[in-house]
Amino acid sequence: RKEVEQDPGPFNVPEGATVAFNCTYSNSASQSFFWYRQDCRKEPKLLMSVYSSGNEDGRFTAQLNRASQYISLLIRDSKLSDSATYLCVVNDPKHEVGGSARQLTFGSGTQLTVLP
Amino acid sequence: NAGVTQTPKFQVLKTGQSMTLQCAQDMNHNSMYWYRQDPGMGLRLIYYSASEGTTDKGEVPNGYNVSRLNKREFSLRLESAAPSQTSVYFCASRQTLRESDQPQHFGDGTRLSIL
Repeated sequence: RKEVEQDPGPFNVPEGATVAFNCTYSNSASQSFFWYRQDCRKEPKLLMSVYSSGNEDGRFTAQLNRASQYISLLIRDSKLSDSATYLCVVNDPKHEVGGSARQLTFGSGTQLTVLP
Repeated sequence: NAGVTQTPKFQVLKTGQSMTLQCAQDMNHNSMYWYRQDPGMGLRLIYYSASEGTTDKGEVPNGYNVSRLNKREFSLRLESAAPSQTSVYFCASRQTLRESDQPQHFGDGTRLSIL
């Protein structure tokens, strides 16, 4: 089982739609979670961190379910500019080096295309 | 506000040639990383450096070496390039704290083709 799994998509949605992505992780000791966005042939960029209580940033809502070991990203009122690949990122406690160099494990990404 | 700077942005090599990919960050981060990204496989960690003077292997270290020259710079070297090393390479950095994880910041990437 992969440490971080995402549905690769692609998700093709009309402009204005609401779309949700899920990501599951295997290490129950993981404590930090992030969503990144990657545009075609560009570097990944942080979209938002995911907090235990869930958090919202404009049209984007991130949630964490520790019991089921998954995180989600909800995009409301999707825009053409939201078209990108969304990467789920989870810290990996087993790779600690001196307690301060925990690695982050990246999912393979979910591709979203918002259609006009 | 440069962030993470990678050079070169593009490179074509012949099999067996060597080269060094350079990475520098100006955010005073303690940890730095090298990833490769191939279609359908996501980001895979090659090497990382928790702090100046330390380096460790990641998921796919074979065929690569790294040097953490100082706190700012972390280079990746291919001693004898192979076609299987054709990929997009990303350098990243972040501040790692004992009590929490900070997100990584990425460079623009280096597109490397080995013929």
